[in-house]
Amino acid sequence: NAGVTQTPKFQVLKTGQSMTLQCAQDMNHEYMSWYRQDPGMGLRLIHYSVGAGITDQGEVPNGYNVSRSTTEDFPLRLLSAAPSQTSVYFCASRTPGAGGPDTQYFGPGTRLTVL
Amino acid sequence: AQSVTQLGSHVSVSEGALVLLRCNYSSSVPPYLFWYVQYPNQGLQLLLKYTSAATLVKGINGFEAEFKKSETSFHLTKPSAHMSDAAEYFCAVSHTGRRALTFGSGTRLQVQP
Repeated sequence: NAGVTQTPKFQVLKTGQSMTLQCAQDMNHEYMSWYRQDPGMGLRLIHYSVGAGITDQGEVPNGYNVSRSTTEDFPLRLLSAAPSQTSVYFCASRTPGAGGPDTQYFGPGTRLTVL
Repeated sequence: AQSVTQLGSHVSVSEGALVLLRCNYSSSVPPYLFWYVQYPNQGLQLLLKYTSAATLVKGINGFEAEFKKSETSFHLTKPSAHMSDAAEYFCAVSHTGRRALTFGSGTRLQVQP
């Protein structure tokens, strides 16, 4: 299994540009999520999905869109990039745990800079 | 609402010394607790998780954490630090039925030779 994969690894955008961060998992996990990581703030949840066709907002959803057309893929779209969206973005997927808390698996991250 | 506080954004220890990284949580219901490690330019890797089966949880790489309900704490320890332990460590909390993790702000561990 490749686990959780993210592309691209690095991206530089100009203010106002749009782009899509790709995330895919091959573990047949129902639950997928996007986090952003900023210095001194840990990871904050942007959007999540509990299955194909179902998405919901997390803690910091503004400026981001998601969709989930397949179990495997969960892309994150920036419609009009802003410097405040400069961050490292992590995708994660979750497996149901038997009798205990679920374990989330994280991708390697995408480092985004918005100029 | 749930939250996580990690005391100390930077911790420096000597190689061979005890590692203690602090995590306190606030939660109105019994939590699930996690420690993740992030090596430079990499994603997050699960170190250990509290499942309510035992208050002392052993994880990978010699780390362990103890759940103390009376202190609302879940501190991470390792008896003897190695240079390879240098990384950023995140404490996180979730609850039954919630699908997302709430993370602390992280503690960067430096190990001095």
